[in-house]
Amino acid sequence: EVHLLESGGGLVQPGGSLKLSCAASGFSFSNYAVSWVRQAPGKGLEWVSSISGSGDTTYSAPSVKGRFTISRDNSKNTLYLQMNSLRAEDTAVYYCAKHSGGNCYYVTDYWGQGTLVTVSS
Amino acid sequence: EIVMTQSPATLSVSPGERATLSCRASQSVSRNLAWYQQKPGQAPRLLVHAASSRATGIPTRFSGSGSGTDFTLTITSLQSEDFAVYYCQQYQNWPPYTFGQGTKLEIK
Repeated sequence: EVHLLESGGGLVQPGGSLKLSCAASGFSFSNYAVSWVRQAPGKGLEWVSSISGSGDTTYSAPSVKGRFTISRDNSKNTLYLQMNSLRAEDTAVYYCAKHSGGNCYYVTDYWGQGTLVTVSS
Repeated sequence: EIVMTQSPATLSVSPGERATLSCRASQSVSRNLAWYQQKPGQAPRLLVHAASSRATGIPTRFSGSGSGTDFTLTITSLQSEDFAVYYCQQYQNWPPYTFGQGTKLEIK
Protein backbone atom coordinates (compact mmCIF):
# COMPACT_ATOMS: atom_id res chain seq x y z
CA GLU A 1 0.00 0.00 0.00
CA VAL A 2 1.31 3.41 -0.99
CA HIS A 3 1.96 5.67 1.98
CA LEU A 4 3.26 9.23 2.03
CA LEU A 5 3.91 10.95 5.34
CA GLU A 6 4.79 14.63 5.45
CA SER A 7 6.53 16.28 8.37
CA GLY A 8 8.38 19.46 9.25
CA GLY A 9 5.57 21.98 9.18
CA GLY A 10 5.04 24.56 11.88
CA LEU A 11 4.98 28.24 12.74
CA VAL A 12 7.74 30.40 11.26
CA GLN A 13 8.27 34.14 11.09
CA PRO A 14 8.24 36.01 7.78
CA GLY A 15 11.64 35.77 6.16
CA GLY A 16 12.39 32.52 7.95
CA SER A 17 13.14 29.03 6.66
CA LEU A 18 11.63 25.61 7.03
CA LYS A 19 12.39 22.18 5.55
CA LEU A 20 9.59 19.76 4.84
CA SER A 21 10.06 16.02 4.45
CA CYS A 22 7.89 13.33 2.92
CA ALA A 23 8.63 9.73 3.80
CA ALA A 24 7.41 7.28 1.17
CA SER A 25 6.66 3.58 1.48
CA GLY A 26 4.80 0.85 -0.34
CA PHE A 27 6.33 1.47 -3.76
CA SER A 28 9.70 1.70 -5.47
CA PHE A 29 10.36 5.34 -4.68
CA SER A 30 13.13 5.98 -7.20
CA ASN A 31 10.88 4.89 -10.09
CA TYR A 32 8.36 7.68 -9.58
CA ALA A 33 8.27 11.43 -9.86
CA VAL A 34 6.90 13.30 -6.86
CA SER A 35 5.52 16.78 -6.30
CA TRP A 36 4.59 19.26 -3.62
CA VAL A 37 1.13 20.84 -3.83
CA ARG A 38 -0.21 23.33 -1.31
CA GLN A 39 -3.58 24.53 -0.14
CA ALA A 40 -4.04 27.81 1.67
CA PRO A 41 -6.73 27.78 4.39
CA GLY A 42 -10.16 27.58 2.78
CA LYS A 43 -8.69 27.81 -0.72
CA GLY A 44 -8.01 25.55 -3.68
CA LEU A 45 -4.99 23.51 -4.72
CA GLU A 46 -1.78 25.11 -6.00
CA TRP A 47 1.10 23.17 -7.51
CA VAL A 48 4.45 24.11 -5.96
CA SER A 49 7.28 21.95 -7.27
CA SER A 50 8.05 18.60 -8.91
CA ILE A 51 11.04 16.30 -9.26
CA SER A 52 11.61 13.31 -11.53
CA GLY A 53 12.24 9.82 -10.18
CA SER A 54 15.97 10.04 -10.77
CA GLY A 55 16.10 13.52 -9.30
CA ASP A 56 17.80 15.03 -12.33
CA THR A 57 14.86 17.21 -13.38
CA THR A 58 12.99 19.69 -11.23
CA TYR A 59 10.28 22.27 -11.82
CA SER A 60 8.91 25.00 -9.58
CA ALA A 61 6.04 27.46 -9.69
CA PRO A 62 7.00 31.08 -10.39
CA SER A 63 5.62 32.06 -6.99
CA VAL A 64 8.28 29.99 -5.21
CA LYS A 65 11.15 29.90 -7.70
CA GLY A 66 14.37 31.11 -6.13
CA ARG A 67 12.99 30.61 -2.62
CA PHE A 68 11.96 26.93 -2.48
CA THR A 69 14.12 23.94 -3.48
CA ILE A 70 12.80 20.46 -4.07
CA SER A 71 15.10 17.47 -3.65
CA ARG A 72 14.96 13.76 -2.92
CA ASP A 73 17.09 11.06 -1.36
CA ASN A 74 16.20 7.80 -3.06
CA SER A 75 18.34 5.85 -0.60
CA LYS A 76 16.06 7.08 2.19
CA ASN A 77 12.79 7.06 0.18
CA THR A 78 12.30 10.67 1.18
CA LEU A 79 11.26 13.86 -0.61
CA TYR A 80 12.20 17.30 0.69
CA LEU A 81 11.17 20.91 0.25
CA GLN A 82 13.57 23.56 1.52
CA MET A 83 11.63 26.77 1.97
CA ASN A 84 13.50 30.06 2.43
CA SER A 85 12.41 33.70 2.60
CA LEU A 86 8.95 32.63 3.68
CA ARG A 87 6.04 35.01 3.28
CA ALA A 88 2.58 35.18 4.82
CA GLU A 89 1.10 34.01 1.51
CA ASP A 90 3.07 30.75 1.82
CA THR A 91 0.79 29.74 4.71
CA ALA A 92 -0.85 26.50 3.63
CA VAL A 93 -1.12 22.77 4.05
CA TYR A 94 1.66 21.23 1.98
CA TYR A 95 0.95 17.86 0.40
CA CYS A 96 3.42 15.54 -1.24
CA ALA A 97 2.00 13.61 -4.16
CA LYS A 98 3.32 10.66 -6.11
CA HIS A 99 3.11 10.60 -9.90
CA SER A 100 2.12 7.42 -11.71
CA GLY A 101 5.46 7.24 -13.55
CA GLY A 102 9.08 8.34 -13.42
CA ASN A 103 8.55 11.58 -15.27
CA CYS A 104 6.62 14.59 -14.10
CA TYR A 105 4.15 14.48 -16.99
CA TYR A 106 2.28 11.61 -15.37
CA VAL A 107 -0.78 12.26 -13.23
CA THR A 108 -0.46 12.38 -9.43
CA ASP A 109 -2.17 9.26 -8.13
CA TYR A 110 -1.48 9.24 -4.38
CA TRP A 111 -1.25 12.07 -1.89
CA GLY A 112 -0.08 12.33 1.69
CA GLN A 113 -2.17 13.84 4.47
CA GLY A 114 -0.25 17.10 4.45
CA THR A 115 1.67 19.27 6.89
CA LEU A 116 0.63 22.78 7.89
CA VAL A 117 3.03 25.67 7.44
CA THR A 118 2.06 28.95 9.09
CA VAL A 119 4.06 32.08 8.34
CA SER A 120 3.28 34.76 10.88
CA SER A 121 4.97 37.10 13.32
CA GLU B 1 -0.51 29.16 -18.25
CA ILE B 2 -3.69 27.18 -18.82
CA VAL B 3 -6.61 28.39 -16.73
CA MET B 4 -9.09 25.78 -15.55
CA THR B 5 -12.62 26.95 -14.78
CA GLN B 6 -15.10 24.75 -12.94
CA SER B 7 -18.84 25.19 -12.76
CA PRO B 8 -20.92 25.49 -10.78
CA ALA B 9 -19.07 26.63 -7.67
CA THR B 10 -21.65 24.83 -5.51
CA LEU B 11 -24.00 22.08 -6.57
CA SER B 12 -26.90 20.92 -4.40
CA VAL B 13 -28.16 17.42 -5.17
CA SER B 14 -30.25 14.90 -3.27
CA PRO B 15 -28.84 11.50 -2.34
CA GLY B 16 -29.63 8.92 -4.98
CA GLU B 17 -29.71 11.48 -7.78
CA ARG B 18 -27.15 12.35 -10.45
CA ALA B 19 -24.56 15.12 -10.24
CA THR B 20 -22.86 16.66 -13.26
CA LEU B 21 -19.75 18.79 -12.73
CA SER B 22 -18.06 20.77 -15.49
CA CYS B 23 -14.49 21.84 -16.13
CA ARG B 24 -13.28 24.05 -18.97
CA ALA B 25 -9.70 24.71 -20.02
CA SER B 26 -8.55 28.00 -21.54
CA GLN B 27 -6.83 26.02 -24.31
CA SER B 28 -6.78 22.41 -25.37
CA VAL B 29 -5.37 19.90 -22.88
CA SER B 30 -6.18 16.94 -25.14
CA ARG B 31 -7.29 14.24 -22.69
CA ASN B 32 -4.70 15.05 -20.02
CA LEU B 33 -7.30 15.91 -17.42
CA ALA B 34 -7.77 14.50 -13.92
CA TRP B 35 -10.52 14.78 -11.33
CA TYR B 36 -9.90 14.68 -7.58
CA GLN B 37 -12.23 14.43 -4.61
CA GLN B 38 -11.40 16.16 -1.34
CA LYS B 39 -13.28 15.78 1.91
CA PRO B 40 -12.78 18.16 4.87
CA GLY B 41 -9.46 17.60 6.60
CA GLN B 42 -8.38 14.99 4.06
CA ALA B 43 -5.98 14.86 1.16
CA PRO B 44 -7.26 14.92 -2.41
CA ARG B 45 -8.02 11.50 -3.89
CA LEU B 46 -7.60 10.75 -7.58
CA LEU B 47 -10.91 9.70 -9.15
CA VAL B 48 -10.35 9.94 -12.89
CA HIS B 49 -7.30 10.42 -15.11
CA ALA B 50 -6.88 10.72 -18.87
CA ALA B 51 -10.32 12.37 -18.87
CA SER B 52 -12.28 9.14 -18.55
CA SER B 53 -10.20 6.41 -16.88
CA ARG B 54 -11.25 5.62 -13.33
CA ALA B 55 -8.43 5.33 -10.82
CA THR B 56 -7.87 2.15 -8.86
CA GLY B 57 -10.70 1.36 -6.48
CA ILE B 58 -13.03 4.11 -7.65
CA PRO B 59 -16.70 3.04 -7.87
CA THR B 60 -18.33 2.81 -11.28
CA ARG B 61 -20.84 5.53 -10.38
CA PHE B 62 -18.02 8.02 -11.10
CA SER B 63 -17.42 8.67 -14.78
CA GLY B 64 -15.47 11.27 -16.69
CA SER B 65 -15.86 12.48 -20.25
CA GLY B 66 -14.62 15.13 -22.63
CA SER B 67 -11.53 16.16 -24.53
CA GLY B 68 -9.86 19.33 -25.68
CA THR B 69 -11.30 22.11 -23.54
CA ASP B 70 -14.56 20.78 -22.11
CA PHE B 71 -14.83 18.02 -19.52
CA THR B 72 -17.50 16.53 -17.30
CA LEU B 73 -17.50 14.44 -14.16
CA THR B 74 -20.75 12.57 -13.61
CA ILE B 75 -21.68 10.88 -10.38
CA THR B 76 -24.77 8.70 -10.59
CA SER B 77 -26.83 7.58 -7.64
CA LEU B 78 -25.13 9.88 -5.14
CA GLN B 79 -24.11 8.33 -1.85
CA SER B 80 -23.63 10.22 1.41
CA GLU B 81 -19.86 9.80 1.17
CA ASP B 82 -19.78 11.56 -2.22
CA PHE B 83 -20.55 14.99 -0.82
CA ALA B 84 -17.20 16.75 -1.00
CA VAL B 85 -15.22 19.25 -3.07
CA TYR B 86 -14.14 18.17 -6.55
CA TYR B 87 -11.18 19.58 -8.46
CA CYS B 88 -10.12 19.16 -12.05
CA GLN B 89 -6.44 19.42 -13.05
CA GLN B 90 -4.69 19.59 -16.38
CA TYR B 91 -1.34 17.92 -16.92
CA GLN B 92 -0.98 18.59 -20.64
CA ASN B 93 1.00 21.84 -20.61
CA TRP B 94 3.24 22.24 -17.63
CA PRO B 95 4.79 23.70 -15.66
CA PRO B 96 2.66 24.79 -14.07
CA TYR B 97 0.12 22.07 -13.49
CA THR B 98 -3.12 23.95 -12.95
CA PHE B 99 -6.25 23.14 -11.01
CA GLY B 100 -9.75 24.43 -11.23
CA GLN B 101 -11.10 26.38 -8.27
CA GLY B 102 -13.27 23.45 -7.18
CA THR B 103 -16.95 22.53 -7.09
CA LYS B 104 -18.53 21.89 -3.73
CA LEU B 105 -21.11 19.12 -3.94
CA GLU B 106 -23.57 19.50 -1.10
CA ILE B 107 -26.64 17.67 0.08
CA LYS B 108 -29.93 19.16 -1.05
